[in-house]
Amino acid sequence: EADIYQTPRYLVIGTGKKITLECSQTMGHDKMYWYQQDPGMELHLIHYSYGVNSTEKGDLSSESTVSRIRTEHFPLTLESARPSHTSQYLCASSGTGSNQPQHFGDGTRLSIL
Amino acid sequence: GEDVEQSLFLSVREGDSSVINCTYTDSSSTYLYWYKQEPGAGLQLLTYIFSNMDMKQDQRLTVLLNKKDKHLSLRIADTQTGDSAIYFCAENRYSTLTFGKGTMLLVSP
Repeated sequence: EADIYQTPRYLVIGTGKKITLECSQTMGHDKMYWYQQDPGMELHLIHYSYGVNSTEKGDLSSESTVSRIRTEHFPLTLESARPSHTSQYLCASSGTGSNQPQHFGDGTRLSIL
Repeated sequence: GEDVEQSLFLSVREGDSSVINCTYTDSSSTYLYWYKQEPGAGLQLLTYIFSNMDMKQDQRLTVLLNKKDKHLSLRIADTQTGDSAIYFCAENRYSTLTFGKGTMLLVSP
């Protein structure tokens, strides 16, 4: 069982607010990822990190930002939320090595009014 | 194309076998993965196969890999209603995973 936690599970908030989605893992994994998942199921990689102080943008352009100050923690921030940010956000982590499987948290379902 | 492709929907009766198909693009992918997503949850790793294997069996799950055609399949034997979920195949590419769009499996009693 993977130990990766996301909070909050659900968030409904108004336009213009600053939001931080939390993701923590207790497996000591170097690599962490954020995905945005459409209502139509497709996953889009928006950010990833190979370790502390490393962050990269993913395949899908996103107005969010991430930070990686500690190995276990990879928060995602939206400075000013808009209705177009409404989606499910999934965090994942994987161990060292290019072929390690990714382990996922349960996700945050975000609704911007 | 550059996409990992899957059929979007599969409906079976309880007790039948289910086969979910996937085509991938990168012949250098060394591992291919199957994930399961239940409603309201994240993705759960089901199984994976190394590219030098043709088949892997794990209880009710059988993964078949055809490297020549870049085709991957997941067979679920004796499908149960609890198997109803979305199934994603994924290939490793440039040290990240590229996912298909997911196949929704609906199992009816």
